[in-house]
Amino acid sequence: IAGITQAPTSQILAAGRRMTLRCTQDMRHNAMYWYRQDLGLGLRLIHYSNTAGTTGKGEVPDGYSVSRANTDDFPLTLASAVPSQTSVYFCASSDGAGGPDTGELFFGEGSRLTVL
Amino acid sequence: GQNIDQPTEMTATEGAIVQINCTYQTSGFNGLFWYQQHAGEAPTFLSYNVLDGLEEKGRFSSFLSRSKGYSYLLLKELQMKDSASYLCAVLDSNYQLIWGAGTKLIIKP
Repeated sequence: IAGITQAPTSQILAAGRRMTLRCTQDMRHNAMYWYRQDLGLGLRLIHYSNTAGTTGKGEVPDGYSVSRANTDDFPLTLASAVPSQTSVYFCASSDGAGGPDTGELFFGEGSRLTVL
Repeated sequence: GQNIDQPTEMTATEGAIVQINCTYQTSGFNGLFWYQQHAGEAPTFLSYNVLDGLEEKGRFSSFLSRSKGYSYLLLKELQMKDSASYLCAVLDSNYQLIWGAGTKLIIKP
């Protein structure tokens, strides 16, 4: 089934550790996104990529980095995790780089991260 | 700043109709989306409005008034499976999606 796969689905890690959340899509979408979702807040964009080889900062990029070496993969790295990064992380993709013609976002199932 | 407002929680009865409102103040407007998110799951696309008026899709309809900065999602013939959070999001002038915090809809038998 085509879609977006995230890994791991859940992880507990100690503060200060490095962590990479993986995201792979098989829809050949140009644009990919990483969001975090916290209780009582809307989805907040961390980083995005309009096409392979390019990335951009979203609303809350500090403490996170991304890379887009190819169309399918968009990993998110926490270089040194802190408790405030405890959240549910969603990877998403769309078939355009923005604008009303891009239609919907397709989301992965999420990665629940707890930093102690 | 940019802001999306929607009620935190609503309760409705199975078989009834419910309207979830969303008001927005954003720098520019390039469309408004509604997503459904069941607990512990990913958001899924419901609707997209860029012109004023009502878009109907089965039991779900979405309305937009750009002059009022207002939208609503109308759910008819409510079913227990409609219990979920409903997220409103606006595409601003920079084609960035601004998300509301979501409305948790509780359906009672």
